[in-house]
Amino acid sequence: GAVVSQHPSWVICKSGTSVKIECRSLDFQATTMFWYRQFPKQSLMLMATSNEGSKATYEQGVEKDKFLINHASLTLSTLTVTSAHPEDSSFYICSSSQGLVGFDEQYFGPGTRLTVT
Amino acid sequence: AQKITQTQPGMFVQEKEAVTLDCTYDTSDPSYGLFWYKQPSSGEMIFLIYQGSYDQQNATEGRYSLNFQKARKSANLVISASQLGDSAMYFCAMREGGETSGSRLTFGEGTQLTVNP
Repeated sequence: GAVVSQHPSWVICKSGTSVKIECRSLDFQATTMFWYRQFPKQSLMLMATSNEGSKATYEQGVEKDKFLINHASLTLSTLTVTSAHPEDSSFYICSSSQGLVGFDEQYFGPGTRLTVT
Repeated sequence: AQKITQTQPGMFVQEKEAVTLDCTYDTSDPSYGLFWYKQPSSGEMIFLIYQGSYDQQNATEGRYSLNFQKARKSANLVISASQLGDSAMYFCAMREGGETSGSRLTFGEGTQLTVNP
């Protein structure tokens, strides 16, 4: 199956700093990429949908100025957590799909565990 | 209202036995897809099985089968011959809409499955 990578796999940063997480689709062109957030023992919550070359669409309650998403190419999307605070500590997962009609498998990255101290 | 409901926070099963994980969904869209994912402690999301709303037969993938009851809006996952490696969190997810929906997924709260030796 298709492979989606994320970098870094884990990161620790100090409160007030910014952190960038990369999501790459390695063997297909991802028209659409999704960013999820997952707190321990909870479900995945969609944060935003990004389409190559256009602005991301954020879910209600997600601060677009805090979680900057850039989808500059068909294989790369980045999520930048700006001015991170301890409450931003979470597991961030990206996914991408080929945008097929019908069965359109969503390929998930391995996730990035962010800890803000 | 919850779109995806998983009523079993935790389930236990003996090795080699079958187990059913429940999932009910709510949508008014005639076109939708239902997915099951496995998330081990490492955090990666592993795709297990897919059922389209227009599929006539229940989906099966190896030891996984999906008991799709459209009128009851349920899509239970059946794992046969459980193995110790099946211990993980299991998420039911739904994609609504047709061609214009992309692959946006809504996840249930998950069921933590523990397989006992």
